[in-house]
Amino acid sequence: AQSVTQLDSQVPVFEEAPVELRCNYSSSVSVYLFWYVQYPNQGLQLLLKYLSGSTLVESINGFEAEFNKSQTSFHLRKPSVHISDTAEYFCAVSAPTGGGNKLTFGTGTQLKVEL
Amino acid sequence: NAGVTQTPKFQVLKTGQSMTLQCAQDMNHEYMSWYRQDPGMGLRLIHYSVGAGITDQGEVPNGYNVSRSTTEDFPLRLLSAAPSQTSVYFCASTRAGLNYGYTFGSGTRLTVV
Repeated sequence: AQSVTQLDSQVPVFEEAPVELRCNYSSSVSVYLFWYVQYPNQGLQLLLKYLSGSTLVESINGFEAEFNKSQTSFHLRKPSVHISDTAEYFCAVSAPTGGGNKLTFGTGTQLKVEL
Repeated sequence: NAGVTQTPKFQVLKTGQSMTLQCAQDMNHEYMSWYRQDPGMGLRLIHYSVGAGITDQGEVPNGYNVSRSTTEDFPLRLLSAAPSQTSVYFCASTRAGLNYGYTFGSGTRLTVV
């Protein structure tokens, strides 16, 4: 079984400042890693994913995440945040199981961008 | 292209009542799942399906039933609602295989009084 830990439940940051949202995972097998974003009163949207290959993955809106196998981490970063980035961010893992690609989610990190 | 459609968006039930949360997708996705979202607990898997006629339990299946008679639809039934089932419910779908992220519906906010 796998698990995901997001230690920071809330991260306040000023606009145009950098931000890092932390994610650590635990699994006895190789996993795929995902970041989802949830804007207020909406469903979750896929932000980026790591499947294999380059350990640095990027999204279309400036976020990036780096897979670190030795530290079992997949932290999400953005060099300069905008007010519109205010949302809840979920890290998730999936692994081969008996059937289906079940996602296991972390508890989420609320990013609040302030002026 | 509607994606994943959930109905209703809001629902209030009395303890003991039953109801069905509807979920439909038009992307011909094989996999569909139901999650519940509670504050501080992230999303937890209730039930999932890998194809029509095939369902299985997730992390928190008690008090819920599912069926998958077609590829498009995956309803979630609450048999006898309890206050502990007050939550936001999300349906999600994806293509077979591990390379694809899930597409989520916009959620159903359920309150059991």
